[in-house]
Amino acid sequence: QKEVEQNSGPLSVPEGAIASLNCTYSDRGSQSFFWYRQYSGKSPELIMFIYSNGDKEDGRFTAQLNKASQYVSLLIRDSQPSDSATYLCAVSGSSNTGKLIFGQGTTLQVKP
Amino acid sequence: GAGVSQSPRYKVAKRGQDVALRCDPISGHVSLFWYQQALGQGPEFLTYFQNEAQLDKSGLPSDRFFAERPEGSVSTLKIQRTQQEDSAVYLCASSPRGGRAETQYFGPGTRLLVL
Repeated sequence: QKEVEQNSGPLSVPEGAIASLNCTYSDRGSQSFFWYRQYSGKSPELIMFIYSNGDKEDGRFTAQLNKASQYVSLLIRDSQPSDSATYLCAVSGSSNTGKLIFGQGTTLQVKP
Repeated sequence: GAGVSQSPRYKVAKRGQDVALRCDPISGHVSLFWYQQALGQGPEFLTYFQNEAQLDKSGLPSDRFFAERPEGSVSTLKIQRTQQEDSAVYLCASSPRGGRAETQYFGPGTRLLVL
């Protein structure tokens, strides 16, 4: 079992729809959870982070965390073609160094 | 201000050659991370520095990989006797202090192709 798992996709949604991206993790000691967006050929850029159970909203993005189920999700409302990218879930596990364990990423395609 | 920079952006090496990849973190950032990203995969942790101290090198795949950060700022990742399986994008990231709650800022990466 991988430490952080994501469905590789592609996930295809029409413009204006809600895109739902999911991630599970295996280390129960994980404390911090990050969503990065990566355009093809570019480096990851931070979208959101979440530390506490529940929802966290930032503009069109909502991150959801359920530590009991070891599950993190990212919702993108009113999806735009410019949201088409690979979304990486990253978990800062039990280590104190802050090193990130990444999932393989989910490719999102938003069709006009 | 300037972000994380990496050089070279692209490197083609013949199998068996040594390569050196450079990372300039954001000024003042204490923590520096190296990750390896294979095509179609998420980044995988290689090593971590806090200032000049290499505190975690558990992700380095073999003793052909060596990293240093002698003055606590610029870091170099060196790969000796490169193999085809070393072909990947090598990402450097920095964060202000380190620790589990901090955001890491990534550089543009060095794309290494070993022929």
